[in-house]
Amino acid sequence: ETGVTQTPRHLVMGMTNKKSLKCEQHLGHNAMYWYKQSAKKPLELMFVYNFKEQTENNSVPSRFSPECPNSSHLFLHLHTLQPEDSALYLCASSQPPSSGSYNEQFFGPGTRLTVL
Amino acid sequence: AQKITQTQPGMFVQEKEAVTLDCTYDTSDPSYGLFWYKQPSSGEMIFLIYQGSYDQQNATEGRYSLNFQKARKSANLVISASQLGDSAMYFCAMREGEDSTLTFGKGTMLLVSP
Repeated sequence: ETGVTQTPRHLVMGMTNKKSLKCEQHLGHNAMYWYKQSAKKPLELMFVYNFKEQTENNSVPSRFSPECPNSSHLFLHLHTLQPEDSALYLCASSQPPSSGSYNEQFFGPGTRLTVL
Repeated sequence: AQKITQTQPGMFVQEKEAVTLDCTYDTSDPSYGLFWYKQPSSGEMIFLIYQGSYDQQNATEGRYSLNFQKARKSANLVISASQLGDSAMYFCAMREGEDSTLTFGKGTMLLVSP
């Protein structure tokens, strides 16, 4: 399998549930990202990991908990979410800065999350 | 102030015609990069084209070209010979300095009709 994959593609959960989103990249990148895309809003960066270390947390509520066990895998653990958290959650990866390339981010297909 | 502004919520174009999607940006960093992504209804963001702030020439990638006007801080995407498969959301994004993060605009929905 190539590129960036995300599972599950669709998720419906209640406010009291705990679930996890998974992202895997097969591109040899060392930076990974979580974004939230709500209707009629720009993509919102949530978290950034460089070489497995979290380098950015964009004021995300603690009910979202990221985990990066290695450079190829990124998880987003969800608990006690609110209906307004319903959105498309996109994972991306890239080479780190100063690697001499465009550093364009490659995105997965996203997980469509609905919180009831 | 918004860092990336896309003023066109939606654009319509007929197949085989060219279309320009607008993007203006705001930064005080002399080193930055501008990206365009396409998002079909499937959800995946597909990288299209990149323009660096120090690039002397406008970027081109197949049917995509970037009309980069640095003084006006605009980086419009031009799609030539539109195809039905070009119907999608298009996002302009910027990276500043050595930061790896991207700031995205709100996007433009492009619909290509037969």
